[in-house]
Amino acid sequence: DAKTTQPPSMDCAEGRAANLPCNHSTISGNEYVYWYRQIHSQGPQYIIHGLKNNETNEMASLIITEDRKSSTLILPHATLRDTAVYYCIVRLFSSGSARQLTFGSGTQLTVLP
Amino acid sequence: DAGVTQSPTHLIKTRGQHVTLRCSPISGHKSVSWYQQVLGQGPQFIFQYYEKEERGRGNFPDRFSARQFPNYSSELNVNALLLGDSALYLCASSLALKSGAAYQETQYFGPGTRLLVL
Repeated sequence: DAKTTQPPSMDCAEGRAANLPCNHSTISGNEYVYWYRQIHSQGPQYIIHGLKNNETNEMASLIITEDRKSSTLILPHATLRDTAVYYCIVRLFSSGSARQLTFGSGTQLTVLP
Repeated sequence: DAGVTQSPTHLIKTRGQHVTLRCSPISGHKSVSWYQQVLGQGPQFIFQYYEKEERGRGNFPDRFSARQFPNYSSELNVNALLLGDSALYLCASSLALKSGAAYQETQYFGPGTRLLVL
């Protein structure tokens, strides 16, 4: 699986967009980019995933660069409840093999009032 | 719809004891994965089960074992508990979707069981 690099921490003002970067320069063609977040002492929460195209759902948008070597998770209007550790995970799921997620250190996002 | 459920929510054991943690997946999901999260670190993969068969195992000692039942629920067992086994144990269920030659699989996590070993 491709290794990911994320900044250890970021701050964002409440109501503003939070842009969380992730570098995955060794990503291969069939590897998906997944984003999860973990609010203190809770289980990780799935946010969004993508392969090549930009994706948007009710929680966030995922922007993947054309060369797929980096991506950005965008929370359009951050609230205090978005304060969490955000994990960017790159994973190739192949038939017959274990499909575990490999979590790195993530980015601690703090939304400030 | 009910999400992934885990029981118990909290547990206190002493060294040398054994523990059984339980997980019920989202309805329709046939795969269950177990993760251990030590304080200050990201979750670490322990096991994955699919259709009652072990599909993969992480770098954990044989004291850790698991099984999946016909209704796809799962148990994680840890024998001879050590202080270092104190952690949040997470269960995730998933439904694999084939996309061309590859699969994509979104794992949904439960709230976890917090185990404290004294």
